[in-house]
Amino acid sequence: DVKVTQSSRYLVKRTGEKVFLECVQDMDHENMFWYRQDPGLGLRLIYFSYDVKMKEKGDIPEGYSVSREKKERFSLILESASTNQTSMYLCASSLQSRGLYGYTFGSGTRLTVV
Amino acid sequence: ILNVEQSPQSLHVQEGDSTNFTCSFPSSNFYALHWYRWETAKSPEALFVMTLNGDEKKKGRISATLNTKEGYSYLYIKGSQPEDSATYLCAFISSGGSYIPTFGRGTSLIVHP
Repeated sequence: DVKVTQSSRYLVKRTGEKVFLECVQDMDHENMFWYRQDPGLGLRLIYFSYDVKMKEKGDIPEGYSVSREKKERFSLILESASTNQTSMYLCASSLQSRGLYGYTFGSGTRLTVV
Repeated sequence: ILNVEQSPQSLHVQEGDSTNFTCSFPSSNFYALHWYRWETAKSPEALFVMTLNGDEKKKGRISATLNTKEGYSYLYIKGSQPEDSATYLCAFISSGGSYIPTFGRGTSLIVHP
């Protein structure tokens, strides 16, 4: 069964901490994405990557960075966590298909910043 | 940012009822539309990828239609079951940009036994 695995289901961090959210996929997908989900809002794209060492800003990249050193792994970094980054974070991957295949999502990391 | 609207925001139905909800999107520069089902505590799961005007897709009791000229897609569930309870997301892909989906806010469906 193909999978996107996110390292933590729940995470509690303090304001100002540097936070790493890890995502690994085993499908050899080229594209990987980080989204956040907040109540009443749709999935909002933070960053995406088309290939190793490639990254592109999404709709809400402020306060975040990403790293993709290997094809299967895409990390989201909160440089200095703030309470407004409390959210559900979803990682996804897809074939390099311009959206002609559906995305495969991880089960999410619920991050609370206190 | 593209405008993708889903309605209703939430829906409560009884087991056995059939139901449908709507995804509205820009009618220009259409490339593809995705539907996902997101059950609580699980990953969003792709249901359909639709690309052609007039497309109809079916998966068990769930089906979807697509009208790209007027900018909407319907998702139908026939004979709803409690296990159909989930948030249903649509995602629109425009041909005019990076081919990254823009998601709607979802329709939350609760099926009561």
